[in-house]
Amino acid sequence: AQSVTQLGSHVSVSEGALVLLRCNYSSSVPPYLFWYVQYPNQGLQLLLKYTTGATLVKGINGFEAEFKKSETSFHLTKPSAHMSDAAEYFCAVSDAGTASKLTFGTGTRLQVTL
Amino acid sequence: NAGVMQNPRHLVRRRGQEARLRCSPMKGHSHVYWYRQLPEEGLKFMVYLQKENIIDESGMPKERFSAEFPKEGPSILRIQQVVRGDSAAYFCASSLPLAGAYEQYFGPGTRLTVT
Repeated sequence: AQSVTQLGSHVSVSEGALVLLRCNYSSSVPPYLFWYVQYPNQGLQLLLKYTTGATLVKGINGFEAEFKKSETSFHLTKPSAHMSDAAEYFCAVSDAGTASKLTFGTGTRLQVTL
Repeated sequence: NAGVMQNPRHLVRRRGQEARLRCSPMKGHSHVYWYRQLPEEGLKFMVYLQKENIIDESGMPKERFSAEFPKEGPSILRIQQVVRGDSAAYFCASSLPLAGAYEQYFGPGTRLTVT
């Protein structure tokens, strides 16, 4: 069975500082990996995904993530935080090669301070 | 192109009543997924449907919960005899019926409150 671990349920950064949100997964085979963002009382919006190919993937709003198979990680980064980045971020995995359910981590709430 | 539509956005039911949640996928999408988000938790998969077929219901509670996606009309998640523990946000997602189309697009959710 797949599982996702997000270290740090709350992360606080200053505006302009580096954002690093951690995600580790457990899967018998390399899965597909996703990061979603959720703003209060809204649905989830896809930030970026990794399926195959280049292990460094770029997403919307300046975010990027790197798939590291040896570390079973898919950490999300952004060089410079903006106030509008304050939200909840979810890492998710699915079976590779087929449409299937997403297994989510418990989420990391990002706070951005002045 | 309209996104995934869910209604109602908020639903209040008394214990023992039925809750019916609707989801209209994005145009051209024939795969629908339902997820539940309990307070302060991540999303948990419930069921995956294609038109007129349940593909994976491994996350559905065995009793009181059912889902359908008819040939015409929205997908419906039905909860019978609701209890307080059913209070949560229920999200629907849809995806394209194409190989390689793995992104799921989420609706705004239905927030169910059981009193």
